[in-house]
Order: sequence, then C-alpha cells, then structure tokens
Amino acid sequence: DAEITQSPRHKITETGRQVTLACHQTWNHNNMFWYRQDLGHGLRLIHYSYGVQDTNKGEVSDGYSVSRSNTEDLPLTLESAASSQTSVYFCASSGGRGTEAFFGQGTRLTVV
Amino acid sequence: GENVEQHPSTLSVQEGDSAVIKCTYSDSASNYFPWYKQELGKGPQLIIDIRSNVGEKKDQRIAVTLNKTAKHFSLHITETQPEDSAVYFCAASPWGSQGNLIFGKGTKLSVKP
Repeated sequence: DAEITQSPRHKITETGRQVTLACHQTWNHNNMFWYRQDLGHGLRLIHYSYGVQDTNKGEVSDGYSVSRSNTEDLPLTLESAASSQTSVYFCASSGGRGTEAFFGQGTRLTVV
Repeated sequence: GENVEQHPSTLSVQEGDSAVIKCTYSDSASNYFPWYKQELGKGPQLIIDIRSNVGEKKDQRIAVTLNKTAKHFSLHITETQPEDSAVYFCAASPWGSQGNLIFGKGTKLSVKP
C-alpha cells in the first residue's frame, strides 16, 4: 500500500544546530507540504512543493528550508534551530487541488 | 490570504448526542473544504470533504454543510460514540493554489459514555 513516512519520530537537538526532518511518500504525488502543529495554533503551513525542483514558502517559513530533488522526498531543514521551533511537524502529500491530502505520523522536535 | 476560523475549541457531549463544529473562511474564491480527524499521536486523516458547487454532503453519521454566501461550513456528527473523541480540523483550499490547505485551529471533541 502507498504511504507517507516521516523520520525520525522524535528528536532532541540543541539551539543553533542544523536539523533535517525526512519525508518520503510512495503515492507518486506531485504535491508535498510541511506543517507545524502547536497548541492554540492548529496546523500552519511552512513550505510546499508542486513538483520536482519547485518549492514555495508558506505562512511560517522563516528559519526553514526545503528542497525537492525527486517526486518521493521533501526534506525539511532547520538551518539554526531555535527554541521557538520546538513543535510537532507533519508532512503531507496530495495529488492536486481538491484531492485528499495524506499526512505522515509526525515528528516531535524539541530544541533545548 | 485565506483565514479560517473554527469554533468551538473544545466540545463535550454525551454518547448518542449530536456534535456540531463550525468554521468560517475569508477568501470567497476558495472552493474545497475538507475536514480532518486527528487521534492522539497520529497524523490528521480526512473524514469528509465538500466542494463549493455542493451545499451538503453525508457519509453515514457525518455530514458537512456549506453556505457560500455566508462563507461558513459546518461538520455534523450524529449518534456520537466514544471513538469519535479526537481533535477535528476544518480547512479551506485557497483559489490559485494547487492543493494548499489553510487549517482552522481545531476542536477537541470528547464523547462521554
């Protein structure tokens, strides 16, 4: 069965370190998204991609970057981790506008 | 850009009662409105969606209604069961996007046996 997987599931890192969260999907979807989830804020869009070599900023993109070198993967990089980036991160993929977005299980990131 | 407001933030009902969650959106050109259920420790999962050319959609105990004029849509769960307890998110897909979703802040639903 097709799926979307995130790794690691949990990570603790220190302030100032570079961190990369992995997202891999086997749906062959063109669209991939990264959201962060915080209490009181719901799910906020960080970055998204509509296809290989395409990346776009979402509403909370500062301090984050993504790259899309193939259809299956959209890694999220925190260039210099800050305590404000402690959150649960979700990756999602979809086949296009008006179609179901499938979410991964999430990565809980703690920046100390 | 699109903004989605969701109410209430918490909702507690007795098993068997109905639950209603309401959302409003700001971009009148948005035309796709999904609802997601998130259980503890898991990613959100689509439970029902509606497009702007439809006023109501039902799937067993779940229904969604859309009022384009007022720019609001609602999730209705009838005959609630303890397994309906979860966080529910509404979302809207802004015009011009190819699938971006802007989410409400979520409603924590508790169904008491």
